[in-house]
Amino acid sequence: QKEVEQNSGPLSVPEGAIASLNCTYSDRVSQSFFWYRQYSGKSPELIMSIYSNGDKEDGRFTAQLNKASQYVSLLIRDSQPSDSATYLCAVKGSNYKLTFGKGTLLTVNP
Amino acid sequence: KAGVTQTPRYLIKTRGQQVTLSCSPISGHRSVSWYQQTPGQGLQFLFEYFSETQRNKGNFPGRFSGRQFSNSRSEMNVSTLELGDSALYLCASSLFLAGVTGELFFGEGSRLTVL
Repeated sequence: QKEVEQNSGPLSVPEGAIASLNCTYSDRVSQSFFWYRQYSGKSPELIMSIYSNGDKEDGRFTAQLNKASQYVSLLIRDSQPSDSATYLCAVKGSNYKLTFGKGTLLTVNP
Repeated sequence: KAGVTQTPRYLIKTRGQQVTLSCSPISGHRSVSWYQQTPGQGLQFLFEYFSETQRNKGNFPGRFSGRQFSNSRSEMNVSTLELGDSALYLCASSLFLAGVTGELFFGEGSRLTVL
């Protein structure tokens, strides 16, 4: 079983829609969760972190965490073409190692 | 504030050769992590160095090695290159251990092609 799994995508949404990106993890004691964005040909950059169950909002981005279900998601409201990128979920495990999912490619169509 | 600098950006090698990649972290950052990124496997963790000591290691063969210097700069070496080593190698720095902060700052990467 992969440690961090993301819906494979690609995910295509129209401009202005809500994009929903999902991630599940296997290490039950994981405490910290992160979303990185990687534009084509660029390196990943951190956009959100979440540590507690529930929602965390930052502008158009909302991270949601459900530790009981071992599930973390990222919602992007009012999606813009500039949001088109690969989104990587990262989980800090009990061994203090940061593990990344393979990423979901998001395309926002004008 | 300068970002993470990786050199070289691109390189082409042949099977059996070795390669050394360099990474200069953001000033003040003490941790350097290395990742291999390929289309099929995504971002895979190689190792992490903090205060010149390897603190974590991924599931890569011994051909992959690294080190960190007293100024926090890091190098990784791949010996006896194989075709499957063709990838983007990303270096990331953080103030403390990546597993503590979770906030990594990535360099632009070194794209290695093995022929």
